[in-house]
Amino acid sequence: DTAVSQTPKYLVTQMGNDKSIKCEQNLGHDTMYWYKQDSKKFLKIMFSYNNKELIINETVPNRFSPKSPDKAHLNLHINSLELGDSAVYFCASSQALGNEQFFGPGTRLTVL
Amino acid sequence: DQQVKQNSPSLSVQEGRISILNCDYTNSMFDYFLWYKKYPAEGPTFLISISSIKDKNEDGRFTVFLNKSAKHLSLHIVPSQPGDSAVYFCAASEETSGSRLTFGEGTQLTVNP
Repeated sequence: DTAVSQTPKYLVTQMGNDKSIKCEQNLGHDTMYWYKQDSKKFLKIMFSYNNKELIINETVPNRFSPKSPDKAHLNLHINSLELGDSAVYFCASSQALGNEQFFGPGTRLTVL
Repeated sequence: DQQVKQNSPSLSVQEGRISILNCDYTNSMFDYFLWYKKYPAEGPTFLISISSIKDKNEDGRFTVFLNKSAKHLSLHIVPSQPGDSAVYFCAASEETSGSRLTFGEGTQLTVNP
């Protein structure tokens, strides 16, 4: 009964490929997020969706496109992967605009 | 422009003693602060939070103190246990930004038996 789940846990791919990371939450939350943790361990928000609507869109290359088919899912699609995209990506969810966010286990993306 | 800073990358304490983790922020608009705990290969887990209208919040062994004038908060863990060994992240948000959290870079706490 995992609250926030992400697939895959590890993703190794070549530069230039397109890949997707999936996220699902079973907490009934209205808001979902994507964070990137870079090599310096900083956790930085990328996107936030509330009731399937984009509410936060940080300065992220447009190669990154979030998609929310319903409130329980927020997927992250990345086109034309670059070496600098290598990081751990965390999905999270919270009550509508609430501050206590629940995180998934992370997806470690390695671009070769 | 790092608005939330945790200047100690690591902290080591003996089991049973107090652990004090510190966090400084620069954005005076921040009005809600949180601490998260992270084990390797897992996502961060919410630990405790404090609103800017308070200066202290306690939950069991964990207490968070907020000094708004100094733009400083700290997390006290007492008594520390080996299972507390993890990376601790401080985070902050402002009401007008909705749910955008700004995280510090984390402090690795090691509690030695």
